[in-house]
Amino acid sequence: DADVTQTPRNRITKTGKRIMLECSQTKGHDRMYWYRQDPGLGLRLIYYSFDVKDINKGEISDGYSVSRQAQAKFSLSLESAIPNQTALYFCATSDSQGDTEAFFGQGTRLTVV
Amino acid sequence: EDQVTQSPEALRLQEGESSSLNCSYTVSGLRGLFWYRQDPGKGPEFLFTLYSAGEEKEKERLKATLTKKESFLHITAPKPEDSATYLCAVSTDSWGKLQFGAGTQVVVTP
Repeated sequence: DADVTQTPRNRITKTGKRIMLECSQTKGHDRMYWYRQDPGLGLRLIYYSFDVKDINKGEISDGYSVSRQAQAKFSLSLESAIPNQTALYFCATSDSQGDTEAFFGQGTRLTVV
Repeated sequence: EDQVTQSPEALRLQEGESSSLNCSYTVSGLRGLFWYRQDPGKGPEFLFTLYSAGEEKEKERLKATLTKKESFLHITAPKPEDSATYLCAVSTDSWGKLQFGAGTQVVVTP
């Protein structure tokens, strides 16, 4: 099983709908992140969390919200999806000790029509 | 404003033809520079972390180096299985947040 699991893997939704992307991890890491990837732009940080009580906005948080339900679970919500939120979304985790690498999930491909 | 720029955007190599990818950065207070490999439809897979100028790390046919302004990923005698997009990212604070470049897509043909 993957250390960082994202569901769903693919989703098509209509403009205006609410959608939730889920992420769970078995790495035991405190830090969790949501990134968005668009062609030619690289990955950009949406939100990050260092524990259940700590949620922080990233570079592009407008239109998104998150929930840290447990140390191992971090969900990303689009309250009212719009077409320019069509992208590949990645969840990642990292250890809180030092400047260590992040581990990424397989991604969720979201299409808003 | 912090920036991470990768070049070239795409690279097509013959099997065995060595080459280098560039990642230049303008950030205040680099804490770490990370290289990732990404295959189509998959999440980025960690390759290397470099922390200070002059540092080098190797893994199979890949070697990463770091200066004060840029990092290089050298691919020696590549094989078709080295085909992927290679991502560079920097960390500038203790929170583990990463700022990514747009990536270099590498295709190695037999």
